[in-house]
Amino acid sequence: AQSVTQLDSQVPVFEEAPVELRCNYSSSVSVYLFWYVQYPNQGLQLLLKYLSGSTLVESINGFEAEFNKSQTSFHLRKPSVHISDTAEYFCAVTTYGSSASKIIFGSGTRLSIRP
Amino acid sequence: NAGVTQTPKFRILKIGQSMTLQCTQDMNHNYMYWYRQDPGMGLKLIYYSVGAGITDKGEVPNGYNVSRSTTEDFPLRLELAAPSQTSVYFCASRDQDRGTPLHFGNGTRLTVT
Repeated sequence: AQSVTQLDSQVPVFEEAPVELRCNYSSSVSVYLFWYVQYPNQGLQLLLKYLSGSTLVESINGFEAEFNKSQTSFHLRKPSVHISDTAEYFCAVTTYGSSASKIIFGSGTRLSIRP
Repeated sequence: NAGVTQTPKFRILKIGQSMTLQCTQDMNHNYMYWYRQDPGMGLKLIYYSVGAGITDKGEVPNGYNVSRSTTEDFPLRLELAAPSQTSVYFCASRDQDRGTPLHFGNGTRLTVT
């Protein structure tokens, strides 16, 4: 069975500083990986995803994540954050195999931006 | 295009009462999911369905039941509400291609007292 670990429950950073949100996964088969964002009092929205090909994937608002198979990681980064990035971020995994319909989420990382 | 619609938005139940959380989607997605979200715990999968007439348990199915009689609807039933079921419940759907993302509803906030 697959699992996802987000080690940091909260990450406070100053505006315009860089940030990295960590995500590690466990799976015995190949995976698809996702980052979702949840703004206050809303549902989750897809931020970016890794399916195959280039290990570096980008979102339209400046976030990027790199799939590292050897370290089983999919860390999310942004070189310069903005107040509007304040939200909770969830890493999620689904597998290629027979249980491909299950999508498992990590516990989330709350990103708070200080002016 | 409404996407995924959940009703009600809020509900307070007394211990032992029952209720059904409604979820409907208009995207003709085969796959549908119910998650609960608790502070610091992320989202936990309760049940999911890969098509009408097919459902399967997720990570935390105890105390819940589901049915999938149509492609559009995936209701979640709580038979005997308990305080441990106080949570925010999210319904989601996606296309059957494995790499496609989930589309979420806006959630139902349930309190059991």
